[in-house]
Amino acid sequence: AQSVTQPDIHITVSEGASLELRCNYSYGATPYLFWYVQSPGQGLQLLLKYFSGDTLVQGIKGFEAEFKRSQSSFNLRKPSVHWSDAAEYFCAVGAGIKLVFGAGTILRVKS
Amino acid sequence: DAGVIQSPRHEVTEMGQEVTLRCKPISGHDYLFWYRQTMMRGLELLIYFNNNVPIDDSGMPEDRFSAKMPNASFSTLKIQPSEPRDSAVYFCASSLIGNTEAFFGQGTRLTVV
Repeated sequence: AQSVTQPDIHITVSEGASLELRCNYSYGATPYLFWYVQSPGQGLQLLLKYFSGDTLVQGIKGFEAEFKRSQSSFNLRKPSVHWSDAAEYFCAVGAGIKLVFGAGTILRVKS
Repeated sequence: DAGVIQSPRHEVTEMGQEVTLRCKPISGHDYLFWYRQTMMRGLELLIYFNNNVPIDDSGMPEDRFSAKMPNASFSTLKIQPSEPRDSAVYFCASSLIGNTEAFFGQGTRLTVV
């Protein structure tokens, strides 16, 4: 069965520091991979997606993610975090028609 | 387009009452999804429709839950009777083609007391 693991429930980084959120997936075929962000009281917004091709994908708000097939990973990165990035981040794998989500990582940004 | 629109944003109801959540997908989208988000179980897909037809309702937790999509611009998720364990945030999402970008509504926070 398809699954997504986000090992970190909470992460705290200082404003201006770099960020990496981890995501590992389990899927038998070539995966479609997504990162979504959810601000408090809001819906989920797509940050970026990987379907095929270049394994380093760029998204909105300065985020990027790298697909590593050998590690079954799709980690999200940002070189310099802003206080407005504080939110919950979800990794998801497209399993057929459905999206299977990880449990999420809550990002806290300290000034 | 205004995006996926859900109503109400918040709903508080008493146990045993019927609750109806509403969703208007993005115009032209073929797929509509209903998700439930809880602290314990995260984001779960309840049911999805393709061209107004329910395709997979295997995520619907019990017969108390039902969903309809009478036309391309409207869907409902109904819980009858509601129970406190149904308290959650319910999201509707739509997409042009399955397995691509899903656009989410802002959710309905349901509290059953």
